[in-house]
Amino acid sequence: DSGVTQTPKHLITATGQRVTLRCSPRSGDLSVYWYQQSLDQGLQFLIQYYNGEERAKGNILERFSAQQFPDLHSELNLSSLELGDSALYFCASRGSTDTQYFGPGTRLTVL
Amino acid sequence: KNEVEQSPQNLTAQEGEFITINCSYSVGISALHWLQQHPGGGIVSLFMLSSGKKKHGRLIATINIQEKHSSLHITASHPRDSAVYICAVDTGTASKLTFGTGTRLQVTL
Repeated sequence: DSGVTQTPKHLITATGQRVTLRCSPRSGDLSVYWYQQSLDQGLQFLIQYYNGEERAKGNILERFSAQQFPDLHSELNLSSLELGDSALYFCASRGSTDTQYFGPGTRLTVL
Repeated sequence: KNEVEQSPQNLTAQEGEFITINCSYSVGISALHWLQQHPGGGIVSLFMLSSGKKKHGRLIATINIQEKHSSLHITASHPRDSAVYICAVDTGTASKLTFGTGTRLQVTL
């Protein structure tokens, strides 16, 4: 158990819909990273937050947004969903070392 | 060309064999990570390296910064080692990771 929690575990929705994925980092970790793992693209970095502020952006679509709240949990919002958004979404947290601890992931299926 | 290349893509070994997975990268890095992803999907961080060699149990990871190459070795492999092993590099920009495509390892009895 990495100490990072993600909800929900599975999400099935339809094209055009909007969903919110939630991540709680390890206790005391200020950094949260979001990653997408799809069959054709592999693992890709989406976005990073540090103590409530956006720090880095990767291959994140404009339809996607994220935020980190004062209690350090983070949410990834995906809107106008397309079939190609079906993927595993991981969050990871990082503390004072550079090791990232991954959550169990949320498997999103868009039908 | 991907910034991080792994080989082989797939590997089948018999229990007890010594296994090597290779990772080459083309960018400057501050650290390299080896990750393990089990069939259930969860990702576990195995090693983070910026130089030299690290060992944990039957796993050994090495890195050669000049050659931009890292290897992950598994000694006395076991069926429970069956997983996808992923190499990822930290280019130092906010410590975000760039991933290789993974090596799928199957260890049989």
